[in-house]
Amino acid sequence: AQTVTQSQPEMSVQEAETVTLSCTYDTSESNYYLFWYKQPPSRQMILVIRQEAYKQQNATENRFSVNFQKAAKSFSLKISDSQLGDTAMYFCAGGHRDDKIIFGKGTRLHILP
Amino acid sequence: GAVVSQHPSWVICKSGTSVKIECRSLDFQATTMFWYRQFPKQSLMLMATSNEGSKATYEQGVEKDKFLINHASLTLSTLTVTSAHPEDSSFYICSARTLQDLYEQYFGPGTRLTVT
Repeated sequence: AQTVTQSQPEMSVQEAETVTLSCTYDTSESNYYLFWYKQPPSRQMILVIRQEAYKQQNATENRFSVNFQKAAKSFSLKISDSQLGDTAMYFCAGGHRDDKIIFGKGTRLHILP
Repeated sequence: GAVVSQHPSWVICKSGTSVKIECRSLDFQATTMFWYRQFPKQSLMLMATSNEGSKATYEQGVEKDKFLINHASLTLSTLTVTSAHPEDSSFYICSARTLQDLYEQYFGPGTRLTVT
């Protein structure tokens, strides 16, 4: 069975700082993809970044990057130069090809001015 | 590209009535659509997976007779909450997936349902 665990319910950082959100996952199968989604107050789910589990290189999208540690089954999200617009709920998620996505419980991130 | 819409964005209905929520893929064909439920400050809970032209697959604990899902075309899926009760009040989100990318899901903006 797949599980995705986020152990930080809530975090706050000052604007322009760097913040890291933690996530661990567990699956016994290959062809696994990992995602970070952002849900701002509008509640629209926005894909931040995705990582193919078979790739060693960490995915990066502008200020967002992941630290993917396959052996540790860890998939953390780093947000550099945080901005007020980054305030949102962040969900880590994982799924196999052509299957459902499992979501973690989320981390509520506050960027303070 | 890959836009998913939901209608209505919010709805209020009386207890005992039924309400239908539509999920449309606007610029792509969605072979699979997913319906989620989200309570305040909680994560998304998958309710069911629907493939075009097939019966939906419901997650354990989800009443299939209460939450009717239809995926009659490659661009439209509907969720009907039958005999709604106040405890059905929630935020319902749909997502869609294409054959071209069997990993990623594109999310609709959600529908807020309030049952009085």
